[in-house]
Amino acid sequence: ETGVTQTPRHLVMGMTNKKSLKCEQHLGHNAMYWYKQSAKKPLELMFVYSLEERVENNSVPSRFSPECPNSSHLFLHLHTLQPEDSALYLCASSQGLAGGLNEQFFGPGTRLTVL
Amino acid sequence: AQSVTQLDSHVSVSEGTPVLLRCNYSSSYSPSLFWYVQHPNKGLQLLLKYTSAATLVKGINGFEAEFKKSETSFHLTKPSAHMSDAAEYFCVVSGYSSASKIIFGSGTRLSIRP
Repeated sequence: ETGVTQTPRHLVMGMTNKKSLKCEQHLGHNAMYWYKQSAKKPLELMFVYSLEERVENNSVPSRFSPECPNSSHLFLHLHTLQPEDSALYLCASSQGLAGGLNEQFFGPGTRLTVL
Repeated sequence: AQSVTQLDSHVSVSEGTPVLLRCNYSSSYSPSLFWYVQHPNKGLQLLLKYTSAATLVKGINGFEAEFKKSETSFHLTKPSAHMSDAAEYFCVVSGYSSASKIIFGSGTRLSIRP
């Protein structure tokens, strides 16, 4: 595997379910991110981890819970979601925090549908 | 404060003709600017980035962009469109070493007519 991988690629869940999204980066980077991409809206940054510590949480509801057990893996735990949470969830990584010169490398995303 | 505006939500060109995707930015500091491309069902891929070394930046797949400070613009161009260029394109501005200061544009969908 190369680059940034995400599993599953598609997920359908009910509002009472609990599920997790997984992201793995094979680039040796030390920062990882979760973004939400909804139709007709700009990308929304959700969480940022640097050296396995959460450094940013952009007012994301508590029904989204991130976890970063090591610098290569990032999870997004989901529970009691709402239909408006249906979106493409993108994971990204970078060497050093993004901003300035550091570019981000993105995974293919998980298409989430909440019924 | 920083912001980025992609002036067209959808651009359609014929194969073999030039492509112009427009981006205007606002930044209190000297910005870094990026163009990313997203093909259907794929993640975003970096096309090119401006980091003040040169105002004309060349990227992958024949794309280039010119930083014009006087016009606060960073338009993306390609001399000759190919069918494989059909995708969503995002202009991004950042000016700090903080991910929360990265601002994505709303995207421009590029369609290529045969």
